[in-house]
Order: sequence, then C-alpha cells, then structure tokens
Amino acid sequence: QKEVEQNSGPLSVPEGAIASLNCTYSDRVSQSFFWYRQYSGKSPELIMSIYSNGDKEDGRFTAQLNKASQYVSLLIRDSQPSDSATYLCAVFGGSNYKLTFGKGTLLTVNP
Amino acid sequence: NAGVTQTPKFQVLKTGQSMTLQCAQDMNHNSMYWYRQDPGMGLRLIYYSASEGTTDKGEVPNGYNVSRLNKREFSLRLESAAPSQTSVYFCASSRDRGDYEQYFGPGTRLTVT
Repeated sequence: QKEVEQNSGPLSVPEGAIASLNCTYSDRVSQSFFWYRQYSGKSPELIMSIYSNGDKEDGRFTAQLNKASQYVSLLIRDSQPSDSATYLCAVFGGSNYKLTFGKGTLLTVNP
Repeated sequence: NAGVTQTPKFQVLKTGQSMTLQCAQDMNHNSMYWYRQDPGMGLRLIYYSASEGTTDKGEVPNGYNVSRLNKREFSLRLESAAPSQTSVYFCASSRDRGDYEQYFGPGTRLTVT
C-alpha cells in the first residue's frame, strides 16, 4: 500500500524565516512529486512539481527530491503571513498509477 | 478560461436522498477525478476517468457512481446519501492519466443529516 507521510504540524515560523516542509513516501517506484497549497475552506492549488533528484526553484519556493531516501521537501524562503496554509505532498507512480496525497502540514507564519 | 468548475458549492441532504455533483473543465484535459476530503483523512480518490468513455474505481467508491458525459464533464452521483458521505468533494483534471499535474475545482461542501 503506497503511503505518503507528512508531519501534521502546526509548523509555526516568524515572518521572513525559512519554512521547511517534509514528506516521505513508501513506494520506491514513485515517479513524480507535487506540492499543493490549500487555504482554509479552499481547494488545493498546485505550487510545485519535481520529477528528478535535486532541487527545483520557483521564486521563493524550492522543492527538493531524494529518491534514494524516498524524501521530498518544500522550502519557503522569506515566509509571509499569506503563506499560512496547509501544504499537501502528493506522489504519483507505481502499479496503481494514481496520485496519493499526504494528509498535509499546517503552516502558520507569524507577523 | 475558468479551469475546473463545480456545482453546487453547498448542499444539505437528508439520509436516503439522491443528488448529482457536476464538474466541468475547459482545459481540454483528458483525465478527470473525484476526491473527497475529510478531517484527518486527507484527500481520497473516489473515481476517475482516464479518458472520455472510461471510468474506474478509486480508493473509496462505495455509495457513488460516476458518468463521463463528454470530454469536458464528469459527474458524481450519490444514489442514497448516508451521513458518512458528509464531506467536501473536489473534482480535478489533468492532461492525461499519468504523472501530469492535476488541477482542482473549488469544491462542494455536502452535509447529510
């Protein structure tokens, strides 16, 4: 059974700090990895995708993937109060060919 | 370009009533999905349609049926609603089944009393 694990939080960081969100997955043949942001009462919004080992940067966001360790992370630099949301890690791959979501980490950025 | 749209936004049903949740996308995507999201359970896949004319069960299909009406539209039907189906329902679409990015609609908040 494929699993995606995230620390539920809440993770609290001061404004301007780096927020680090982590995710581990159990299916070694997973191929693609995504981070979604979900504000309270809203739908998940795709913010990052990463497919190969290493780092991928997009503005203040950096996704990091280590397939050997089955670990993916999201760094948010210069965190803003508007970054306060639940961040969902999603993993695709394996024989069932479906996207599996973690339960999410609640991030709070304090002004 | 509206992306993924869902109707209704909110619905209250009594146990045993039926209803259909509607979803449409204007991104010319081939694949569409229905999820439910419950506190502490995360997002769970109910059904998906890899392409027009096909549908398959996801993780939690019991109590639901789906119809892929055409390439744009994918509906979810509750034939006899139960309190356990109280949830937030999201429709999503992607270019194809596979490692393509999924885009979500705004959701339907359903309460079954």
